[in-house]
Amino acid sequence: KAGVTQTPRYLIKTRGQQVTLSCSPISGHRSVSWYQQTPGQGLQFLFEYFSETQRNKGNFPGRFSGRQFSNSRSEMNVSTLELGDSALYLCASSPGQASLYNEQFFGPGTRLTVL
Amino acid sequence: GEDVEQSLFLSVREGDSSVINCTYTDSSSTYLYWYKQEPGAGLQLLTYIFSNMDMKQDQRLTVLLNKKDKHLSLRIADTQTGDSAIYFCAESPPRLGSGYSTLTFGKGTMLLVSP
Repeated sequence: KAGVTQTPRYLIKTRGQQVTLSCSPISGHRSVSWYQQTPGQGLQFLFEYFSETQRNKGNFPGRFSGRQFSNSRSEMNVSTLELGDSALYLCASSPGQASLYNEQFFGPGTRLTVL
Repeated sequence: GEDVEQSLFLSVREGDSSVINCTYTDSSSTYLYWYKQEPGAGLQLLTYIFSNMDMKQDQRLTVLLNKKDKHLSLRIADTQTGDSAIYFCAESPPRLGSGYSTLTFGKGTMLLVSP
């Protein structure tokens, strides 16, 4: 089974631009979660999508948004980029069914640099 | 506090034991997890423990859980240079009425193993 894939792997943008990151989950997984990882704040949860609906949301401004398609692939969008948005963005997938065991499978991440 | 807390850095010599500690916040977490992140990669599940257990051993890994103090630890025996990575603990409180859980990660402990 192929793992979680994220594209692009690296991205350089300037302040004020917007960016779209893509995540393809493991086949059969219906839940996709997004995280932002920075040296100072560690791993912070952005949002989770399950069956095309946002199921959970972290504490990020509205500039951060996402969506999920019928094939479970997900995209996240950041508008009006700020320098502080420079980070590694990780996507994780899981089956998402009703279960208290929640192993998440992570992709390699997209490294976003905002200049 | 509301955060899952971990010490940020641990340095050991090859062959020694490493102990990484974590304090979590939500006593309703049914499972607690340890993830490992190697340089340039996403997180990978290392091990987990069910909340009704005090200890779980898996080859060189030993997980200890103290529910009263909400303290979780990961011991790596005979630490090798290949164990150098960032280790994250995660709690998973269930979402009320939903039957599934969400993960909250600590900021990660960087383990450096010197020869």
